Amino acid sequence: GAGVSQTPSNKVTEKGKYVELRCDPISGHTALYWYRQSLGQGPEFLIYFQGTGAADDSGLPNDRFFAVRPEGSVSTLKIQRTERGDSAVYLCASSPGGLSYNEQFFGPGTRLTVL
Amino acid sequence: DAKTTQPNSMESNEEEPVHLPCNHSTISGTDYIHWYRQLPSQGPEYVIHGLTSNVNNRMASLAIAEDRKSSTLILHRATLRDAAVYYCIPRMDSSYKLIFGSGTRLLVRP
Repeated sequence: GAGVSQTPSNKVTEKGKYVELRCDPISGHTALYWYRQSLGQGPEFLIYFQGTGAADDSGLPNDRFFAVRPEGSVSTLKIQRTERGDSAVYLCASSPGGLSYNEQFFGPGTRLTVL
Repeated sequence: DAKTTQPNSMESNEEEPVHLPCNHSTISGTDYIHWYRQLPSQGPEYVIHGLTSNVNNRMASLAIAEDRKSSTLILHRATLRDAAVYYCIPRMDSSYKLIFGSGTRLLVRP
């Protein structure tokens, strides 16, 4: 079956612009996660959705970052007033539920470059 | 969350077994030990997880020390496709998020 998909695969923007990154999870997965990966480092947790609600957004670096999942499926990560430090690969993952033993399935990521 | 220590890098020859160690001395009794790997230019993928007993699946084996302060991921016959960064991740029973360290970069020589 289809895995997690993310669009766009690459996004280049200018400092100060607004960007939206989209994640399509595996059908039926109630849990959805966003991570961010800077060059040479492991992924860093940003936010976790269980259904439509953000159960934990403690990883969002500041209020320029916001994510939604209005119908409990597709999610959009929104970044306002982008900064060069926001450049990274943004990864989305989904799982059947949030329990600790549930495997998370990752998408290929969106590479964001802020010039 | 438990801290992990993994070698920065390891090398192996193709078709040989590989033992990837992880130290997680601050692990709690209910933490599962998860392993994920990340191939170049891809998102991480699940490899295996366990709690106390050794575990096997089609990809690998996981050997967990009796005191649970360390574990070893075993690839029985490394292939070129196994070249990746391997992450050892203790995960609290109540936690939904993965906390990645720096991982071990595995190089497989043909």
